[in-house]
Amino acid sequence: GQSLEQPSEVTAVEGAIVQINCTYQTSGFYGLSWYQQHDGGAPTFLSYNALDGLEETGRFSSFLSRSDSYGYLLLQELQMKDSASYFCAVESFNKFYFGSGTKLNVKP
Amino acid sequence: DADVTQTPRNRITKTGKRIMLECSQTKGHDRMYWYRQDPGLGLRLIYYSFDVKDINKGEISDGYSVSRQAQAKFSLSLESAIPNQTALYFCATSKTGLSSEQYFGPGTRLTVT
Repeated sequence: GQSLEQPSEVTAVEGAIVQINCTYQTSGFYGLSWYQQHDGGAPTFLSYNALDGLEETGRFSSFLSRSDSYGYLLLQELQMKDSASYFCAVESFNKFYFGSGTKLNVKP
Repeated sequence: DADVTQTPRNRITKTGKRIMLECSQTKGHDRMYWYRQDPGLGLRLIYYSFDVKDINKGEISDGYSVSRQAQAKFSLSLESAIPNQTALYFCATSKTGLSSEQYFGPGTRLTVT
């Protein structure tokens, strides 16, 4: 079966850097995605890693290690608007499996 | 205008009733998906469709059915609603290929009493 593990909640202060980890177990792994969801809102796509290494998009970066079945999302220069839930998702044989989400609380 | 729309946005229904949730998209994407989200949980895939004639079961398809009426429309039906189908339902689309970026609709909050 498929399983993804990520921390349930993380708290950080404005301007800081935070890393949200995701470990997964799956067969037929294609890639790892990250989504952001504000309360009451729809998930929005942040990044996708199919190969090992770091992908950078502005203040957000995502890392993947296929050999370790591990990835992380790195958020830099945290802003209050980054307070949201963050989901990792594995793509496997054309299906997507989401983690339970990490609630990020950004404090002033 | 939103690229992916869902109707209704909120619905309260009684156990045993049939209900249909509708999804339309103007993105021109071939792939469409239905997910449900329960409080404190991630999204779980119900059904997905790669084109009008290609419909596949997801992780939790029991109790649900779907119809792909056109490239732009993908409907989810609960033939006989039960309380544990109370959830937030999202439709999503993506391009063909491995880019994996999905575009989500605003969601339908369904309550089954």
